[in-house]
Amino acid sequence: ETGVTQSPTHLIKTRGQQVTLRCSSQSGHNTVSWYQQALGQGPQFIFQYYREEENGRGNFPPRFSGLQFPNYSSELNVNALELDDSALYLCASSLDPGHYNEQFFGPGTRLTVL
Amino acid sequence: KNEVEQSPQNLTAQEGEFITINCSYSVGISALHWLQQHPGGGIVSLFMLSSGKKKHGRLIATINIQEKHSSLHITASHPRDSAVYICAAARGVGGGADGLTFGKGTHLIIQP
Repeated sequence: ETGVTQSPTHLIKTRGQQVTLRCSSQSGHNTVSWYQQALGQGPQFIFQYYREEENGRGNFPPRFSGLQFPNYSSELNVNALELDDSALYLCASSLDPGHYNEQFFGPGTRLTVL
Repeated sequence: KNEVEQSPQNLTAQEGEFITINCSYSVGISALHWLQQHPGGGIVSLFMLSSGKKKHGRLIATINIQEKHSSLHITASHPRDSAVYICAAARGVGGGADGLTFGKGTHLIIQP
């Protein structure tokens, strides 16, 4: 059984650029959630994808967008990067969107915006 | 006021001590998660609770739905338990995606 993987592990961008982060879900999981964790804070929910459709969204602007592919891997895209976007981005997969299902987290991608 | 509050924010203890981390939440939940985050960022799910008590090795998690309170206990603490412990509330019922609402975490250091 393969765990949740994310790429890249670290990334440095400049303000105004665009970035794509990737997440491979655990085998058998059809739901992927993305979270942003600023330094010293708890993660904040960005959005969730279930069977290739966005299934819920937190309080993030439209420049945060995502995709889920038929193999249930997922991408997080951020346009027009701002300094405050510097954070650890975590994805988590689960069997389905039901809250009773345990979420398995990836190691995260640390994004630095200069 | 955050919807999920943890205490203490920081905790330093000696090896072998019994550790308690508390989590209070102000919203209705369907489940509560306890997570462990090591330096470098990786998060490991420890427990998911909707009622009662769960135990795994030296870790015990309890939840009181009426009081909207959960605790994570570590018995016979060890330096390798040093990490940030985060509680996260799953809102809503069944499907639907509010995601998890996280506390800010408790930074635990166990000294030898």
